[in-house]
This record gives sequence, structure tokens and C-alpha cells, in this order.
Amino acid sequence: QVTLRESGPALVKPTQTLTLTCTFSGFSLSTYGMCVSWIRQSPGKGLEWLARIDWDDAKYYRTSLKTGLTISKDTTKNQVVLTMTNVDPGDTGTYYCVRVPTYGSGNYYDYWGQGTLVTVSS
Amino acid sequence: DIQMTQSPSSLSASVGDRVTITCRASQNIDNYLNWYQQKPGKAPKLLIYAASTLQSGVPSRFSGSGSGADYTLTISSLQPEDFALYYCQQSWNTPQTFGQGTKVEI
Repeated sequence: QVTLRESGPALVKPTQTLTLTCTFSGFSLSTYGMCVSWIRQSPGKGLEWLARIDWDDAKYYRTSLKTGLTISKDTTKNQVVLTMTNVDPGDTGTYYCVRVPTYGSGNYYDYWGQGTLVTVSS
Repeated sequence: DIQMTQSPSSLSASVGDRVTITCRASQNIDNYLNWYQQKPGKAPKLLIYAASTLQSGVPSRFSGSGSGADYTLTISSLQPEDFALYYCQQSWNTPQTFGQGTKVEI
């Protein structure tokens, strides 16, 4: 059974660094073609893809964000960490981690975490 | 970035109706098109990937079609549990982008 669960602070001040952790089970991020992405949802911007990390440690980022993004993985702990530096109120939203199998036809988000709501406010 | 435009933004329908939602990409995305359903307070759920492949466990009343830049999600006979938000998403390139959503209401 595949599950993902996001954790992190509910409230962050502007200019601070936000660290979100995705803890997953039921699959391995060492398996060929397996990836994990972070998706954000906010009322004003809808669903936004933020970053992805692959089984071979390749990393991809949404480069248009003002916020600095870093994604990393700990395969032994089955965790993926997303760090966002210099956040601002526009980064408020619900953050999801998702599984992305890329070994088949296309790639898609087949399992989602429950999401974690982050508010950026002073 | 590839822009994804869904239409309509919302629609009203009745149980048993056939419902069609369209999604247009700003360029050819070669069937790298996925559909998701989201209910209030829940994460989106994958319905269809690669334009027309039904995700395991999804009822067969859902179907997807299209090619190039134009795609369609069809619900053949709307059920009470289908009232929700629907999103398309392209996975042709990075950043992968979503449509703005279509709300299906009673």
C-alpha cells in the first residue's frame, strides 16, 4: 500500500526558510523510474508544480519562483525534503507530495499525500 | 510555460447526464495529458493518464480522448459522487502545469 505524508510548520514568517518533509511507504525511491514531486495549491494560483527528485538523484525546479527551492531525498528513511528560502505571503497554500512513476506511458501523479497547509504571515 | 485552459469553468448537471470537459494546451503536448478529480478538503485523485488510460480502480464511466493540443474528459452517466472539481495537467515538459479547474455542480 502506497502512502505519503507531508509534515512541517503550519505558520512561517516572511523571509524565513520553510522546510517540508514527505515521508512515504509502499515504494522505493531507489527503483528505476520512480520520482517524487511537490505540488502547491492556493486559491489565487491553483495547482502549481514546484520540484521533483528522481531515483537517480536528478532534480528539477520551478525556476519562475522568487523563493529559492531545494529538494533532497533520504532513501534509507523513505523521505523527501523540500526547502524554500525567503518565503513571502504568496507562498501560502497547501503543499502536497506526490509519487511520480516515469517508467510507463507519460508521467503522472498517481498517489498524493493528504497535504499540509502552510501560512506565511508575520 | 505551457498554458492549460479548461472549459467550462463550471457546469450544472443532473445525475445520469453525460458530461464533457475540455482542456486546451498552448502547444502540442503529444498525449502527455492527465486528469484529476478533487473533492472538498481532499487531495486530487488521478483519473486518467496519457490522455486516455484509465487509472486502476476508476469507474469506466470516465473516459479521456484527444490529441495534439486538445483533450476531453467525459463522464458517461454522472453519479452523485462525481460532483467535484476536475483538473487537467500536462506532463510534456517542465514545469508541468495544470488547468484552472472545472467545477461540476448539481
